[in-house]
Amino acid sequence: DAGITQSPRHKVTETGTPVTLRCHQTENHRYMYWYRQDPGHGLRLIHYSYGVKDTDKGEVSDGYSVSRSKTEDFLLTLESATSSQTSVYFCAISPGQFYSNQPQHFGDGTRLSIL
Amino acid sequence: GIQVEQSPPDLILQEGANSTLRCNFSDSVNNLQWFHQNPWGQLINLFYIPSGTKQNGRLSATTVATERYSLLYISSSQTTDSGVYFCAVRAGFQKLVFGTGTRLLVSP
Repeated sequence: DAGITQSPRHKVTETGTPVTLRCHQTENHRYMYWYRQDPGHGLRLIHYSYGVKDTDKGEVSDGYSVSRSKTEDFLLTLESATSSQTSVYFCAISPGQFYSNQPQHFGDGTRLSIL
Repeated sequence: GIQVEQSPPDLILQEGANSTLRCNFSDSVNNLQWFHQNPWGQLINLFYIPSGTKQNGRLSATTVATERYSLLYISSSQTTDSGVYFCAVRAGFQKLVFGTGTRLLVSP
């Protein structure tokens, strides 16, 4: 399986606190993605990155920011967490050539609870 | 944006039975993936199948891109096949859109 590590795997925090989730890859893939998974919605894209310092918004980006200072690391930050951001967060990677025939591979997820 | 519909939403089988899961999508896509989310929450890649047919053991998949659907076949189901099966299609520039899944329970 693709070398993707998400940390932490579980986190419980309070409303209003900042939270940062980390995704680390060892595949040297260009593209990295953050998704959230909620009941009834499947997985929805939050943000993605197509290179170091190159990021763009997905369909549910409000309340989230991302950073990518190195190829291997993609950080997702909730500046002031809200209860609606309680979810399971998945990181994914792909080699990412334009319209290339390469699938996305997913990490094991981070379960985030905001009380 | 593109819509992805999966059917059935829930499926209960006895061990050894066969099943077919369907994924319909509303527009042309470049790529399609099938995933299995196991009871521990891990997303396992099953197939990357923008068109044609592939087989992997007891599982096979067929995508007919011109008719905008894909099918996942599970033969001789086992309890370890339980979980949620997701279809995801790529629309536009590297954005994967997921269906809401088919929840499968295989009983012994």
